[in-house]
Amino acid sequence: QKEVEQNSGPLSVPEGAIASLNCTYSDRGSQSFFWYRQYSGKSPELIMFIYSNGDKEDGRFTAQLNKASQYVSLLIRDSQPSDSATYLCAVNEADFGNEKLTFGTGTRLTIIP
Amino acid sequence: KAGVTQTPRYLIKTRGQQVTLSCSPISGHRSVSWYQQTPGQGLQFLFEYFSETQRNKGNFPGRFSGRQFSNSRSEMNVSTLELGDSALYLCASRTGLQETQYFGPGTRLLVL
Repeated sequence: QKEVEQNSGPLSVPEGAIASLNCTYSDRGSQSFFWYRQYSGKSPELIMFIYSNGDKEDGRFTAQLNKASQYVSLLIRDSQPSDSATYLCAVNEADFGNEKLTFGTGTRLTIIP
Repeated sequence: KAGVTQTPRYLIKTRGQQVTLSCSPISGHRSVSWYQQTPGQGLQFLFEYFSETQRNKGNFPGRFSGRQFSNSRSEMNVSTLELGDSALYLCASRTGLQETQYFGPGTRLLVL
């Protein structure tokens, strides 16, 4: 069973600090990785995707990928109360030749004003 | 460009009934995936359709079925509803099987 694992939290971070969210995956053949944010009662919305090893920055968000360690992370700089949500890591896994997006269970992030 | 739409947004059914949910993908997207989300299990993959063909299927019983039409719109059917089927059902679309998925607002199903 291919898995995507996240710490469920809750993770509490003071406003203005850096929030660090982590995700590990089991399928070494995975090629693309996504972070979604989900507010309570809403559907997931895409924050970032990353395909290559290293860092990818978009505004206050930085995704980091290390394929050798099978590890992907999301950093949120200058955290705001509006960043309080559940963050879902998703990995596009090859499943018998058919790509499938597998989600972690999510990390609940709370930004403390 | 309009986003993914799902109808209905809310449904209440009783055990044993069946239900059909509808999803219209973003224009130009040929892939539609369905997920079930519950507080205990998180987002669970149901199936994905691409160009009217089921490309992948999750570990759900045969009571859960789907189809995709030539205009890429998709329907999901659940027969003989059980209490445990109460969940948020999410549809997501993407242009191709390696591309980013975009989610619709979901259909919240309550089975009594």
